[in-house]
Amino acid sequence: DQQVKQNSPSLSVQEGRISILNCDYTNSMFDYFLWYKKYPAEGPTFLISISSIKDKNEDGRFTVFLNKSAKHLSLHIVPSQPGDSAVYFCAASAFGFGNEKLTFGTGTRLTIIP
Amino acid sequence: DSGVTQTPKHLITATGQRVTLRCSPRSGDLSVYWYQQSLDQGLQFLIQYYNGEERAKGNILERFSAQQFPDLHSELNLSSLELGDSALYFCASSVDSGNNEQFFGPGTRLTVL
Repeated sequence: DQQVKQNSPSLSVQEGRISILNCDYTNSMFDYFLWYKKYPAEGPTFLISISSIKDKNEDGRFTVFLNKSAKHLSLHIVPSQPGDSAVYFCAASAFGFGNEKLTFGTGTRLTIIP
Repeated sequence: DSGVTQTPKHLITATGQRVTLRCSPRSGDLSVYWYQQSLDQGLQFLIQYYNGEERAKGNILERFSAQQFPDLHSELNLSSLELGDSALYFCASSVDSGNNEQFFGPGTRLTVL
């Protein structure tokens, strides 16, 4: 049962343009969402997070949008840079004792074309 | 550099053997999490410790066990290894419980031959 889904295994975007990565979830108990970036042979690197009480969070070139009614979130990267080429994972957790574990999607490989 | 360290980086062993993976969390972090990433799979949660005590368990096999020591470092023990246990094993840490960002180590790549 895949509770967090990233339906696009790969995405190619021209340098300087906007990259939009999407994520859907099914568990209504999830209330905290995170995006991680991963290079080969390295651990995931935290990018940005959002709590369910918000619908948008920005950090520099990265913005995460949350649509709770649709159980959908997206990560916008603008402008896209070659160094952004990596695998991006969406993750979610639920509130409460013992629920802090992250449930990950299967990832989207982003390729920025120079 | 996330501040989370894992050793060893690579481990090659044979079926039936036992190995220990080690993780040191970021300074000040009380929670340690272990995740497994198999080929073409997302990261799967195995187990969480908070300040020395087990907090949550995921899909962790009975052949696997973990502990967190008083200095907050953690070890993941994998025994009676099978070919299917070959994977990347990541440790992550966070400040405390609750919705905090988890910071990941570089991982240990385990190959079972």
